[in-house]
Amino acid sequence: GEDVEQSLFLSVREGDSSVINCTYTDSSSTYLYWYKQEPGAGLQLLTYIFSNMDMKQDQRLTVLLNKKDKHLSLRIADTQTGDSAIYFCAEPNQAGTALIFGKGTTLSVSS
Amino acid sequence: DVKVTQSSRYLVKRTGEKVFLECVQDMDHENMFWYRQDPGLGLRLIYFSYDVKMKEKGDIPEGYSVSREKKERFSLILESASTNQTSMYLCASSPPTGYGETQYFGPGTRLLVL
Repeated sequence: GEDVEQSLFLSVREGDSSVINCTYTDSSSTYLYWYKQEPGAGLQLLTYIFSNMDMKQDQRLTVLLNKKDKHLSLRIADTQTGDSAIYFCAEPNQAGTALIFGKGTTLSVSS
Repeated sequence: DVKVTQSSRYLVKRTGEKVFLECVQDMDHENMFWYRQDPGLGLRLIYFSYDVKMKEKGDIPEGYSVSREKKERFSLILESASTNQTSMYLCASSPPTGYGETQYFGPGTRLLVL
């Protein structure tokens, strides 16, 4: 069945790079998403990548997509304490009617 | 900016009560969704709607119902609240499905059932 897997926790020091990994199951997914959830808030779209791309860079964020291995990663350069949040990877379901979310990776940034 | 609002940020109800969670979006989106979020389980889809008066069951619809009488409003109803429905409830909306369109989320309602 459709599933999105990601590790649950990541802890880094301020100024380091963070890499959050995700694996997905549907090779026909056209878009793959990263959402961010700050404490006490809803999810906000962080970035997305179209499936015909290998990489997308947006300021401190780099998304890498390996379609062969169905692996998606989010790299945050120069991680700041304000980046502490839960990060969700998501792909569309096969019907294209909804998104399937991973369980979320809690990023903890220490100063 | 897309705005999705939810009627309450925090709610405390008693077992057996009927509970209404309201969600309103202002971007004329066709699709609306209700999720619950629990630690270690991530987001799970309860119901979604792709048009007025239309609804589809998600992964965990048991114990819930929904109503979409107007395009901008999607309500989640707990007919008889139970303690295992204590959770964070998130509403989202998205434009018509091309293929998994970006979803915009409300701030969430944290529901406690005693």
